[in-house]
Amino acid sequence: DVKVTQSSRYLVKRTGEKVFLECVQDMDHENMFWYRQDPGLGLRLIYFSYDVKMKEKGDIPEGYSVSREKKERFSLILESASTNQTSMYLCASSGRGNTDTQYFGPGTRLTVL
Amino acid sequence: EDQVTQSPEALRLQEGESSSLNCSYTVSGLRGLFWYRQDPGKGPEFLFTLYSAGEEKEKERLKATLTKKESFLHITAPKPEDSATYLCAVMGYGQNFVFGPGTRLSVLP
Repeated sequence: DVKVTQSSRYLVKRTGEKVFLECVQDMDHENMFWYRQDPGLGLRLIYFSYDVKMKEKGDIPEGYSVSREKKERFSLILESASTNQTSMYLCASSGRGNTDTQYFGPGTRLTVL
Repeated sequence: EDQVTQSPEALRLQEGESSSLNCSYTVSGLRGLFWYRQDPGKGPEFLFTLYSAGEEKEKERLKATLTKKESFLHITAPKPEDSATYLCAVMGYGQNFVFGPGTRLSVLP
């Protein structure tokens, strides 16, 4: 079974803090993704990566950065957290190929006070 | 621009009352259509991938079908544990997923 894990289920941070969200997959997938999910707005793509050291901006990259130093790990970084970044953050991974299914982690509910 | 809409927004069924959820899409060359189930506070769980019109897939009480413009998720004799939000997504030549807003299904005992 595909396993995607995220470092925290719930996280509470203060405005201006630097926040790291970690995602690890155990299926040797090439592609990894970060989404945020908000009521009424659905899932929106923040960043994705097709290989180690590679990253591409998604639809809403502002205020975020990512790091992929190892194939199995993809980190999302909030350089200076703001209250409008309070959201559910979802990581996903998929194998090589343009039609491969994305498998999601359990999500991190981030609250920025 | 690729777009996905889902209807209805919410659906309440009695246990055993079969129904269908709709996913309509416009995409520049469909490479795949994906159905997920999402429980509150959790990540989406993969259900089906459909690649071409006419394709059908089944899993327990769920059956997904695909035409050139829409997909249906048929739920036969649902149980309360089928209550969840069902998400549809498409992948076109843009190579990223475009998600629909979801249908929130409640199955009452």
